[in-house]
Amino acid sequence: DVKVTQSSRYLVKRTGEKVFLECVQDMDHENMFWYRQDPGLGLRLIYFSYDVKMKEKGDIPEGYSVSREKKERFSLILESASTNQTSMYLCASRPPTGQETQYFGPGTRLLVL
Amino acid sequence: GENVEQHPSTLSVQEGDSAVIKCTYSDSASNYFPWYKQELGKGPQLIIDIRSNVGEKKDQRIAVTLNKTAKHFSLHITETQPEDSAVYFCAASNSTLTFGKGTMLLVSP
Repeated sequence: DVKVTQSSRYLVKRTGEKVFLECVQDMDHENMFWYRQDPGLGLRLIYFSYDVKMKEKGDIPEGYSVSREKKERFSLILESASTNQTSMYLCASRPPTGQETQYFGPGTRLLVL
Repeated sequence: GENVEQHPSTLSVQEGDSAVIKCTYSDSASNYFPWYKQELGKGPQLIIDIRSNVGEKKDQRIAVTLNKTAKHFSLHITETQPEDSAVYFCAASNSTLTFGKGTMLLVSP
């Protein structure tokens, strides 16, 4: 079974802090994704990566950056957390091109005070 | 870019009834349409998907239909059970997935 793990289930941070959300997958997938999920808005794509050291902006990249130093790990970084970044963050991974199924982690619920 | 509309936002049914969730998409180049189920406290899990060269797909109590001309696709759950209660998301993909806003399904015993 594909396993996608996220470093924290719940996180509380203060405005202005730098926040790191970590995601690890164990299936050697090339593609990894970060989404945020908000009530009434569904899942929105923040950033994705097709390979190590490669990244692409999604629909809402403002205020976020990412890092992919190793194939299995994809980190989401909030350089200076703000209250409007309070949300559920979901990481997903996907096998090589041609197979579109994405596998999601359990999510990190972030509260920025 | 792609835009996916999903209806209804909430759906309440009695156990044993059928449930139908509908989605429309805007990009005619989209060719892959998955459905995800998200239970409380968990990440979304794929339950069924369909590709643009197929009109219908069934897996036990779950079926999905696709009308490419009208750009809409639907999820059908028959003989619903309380454990079907969850939030369901549709999505459409050309290269990346665009999700609908979700439908909260409540199945009452």
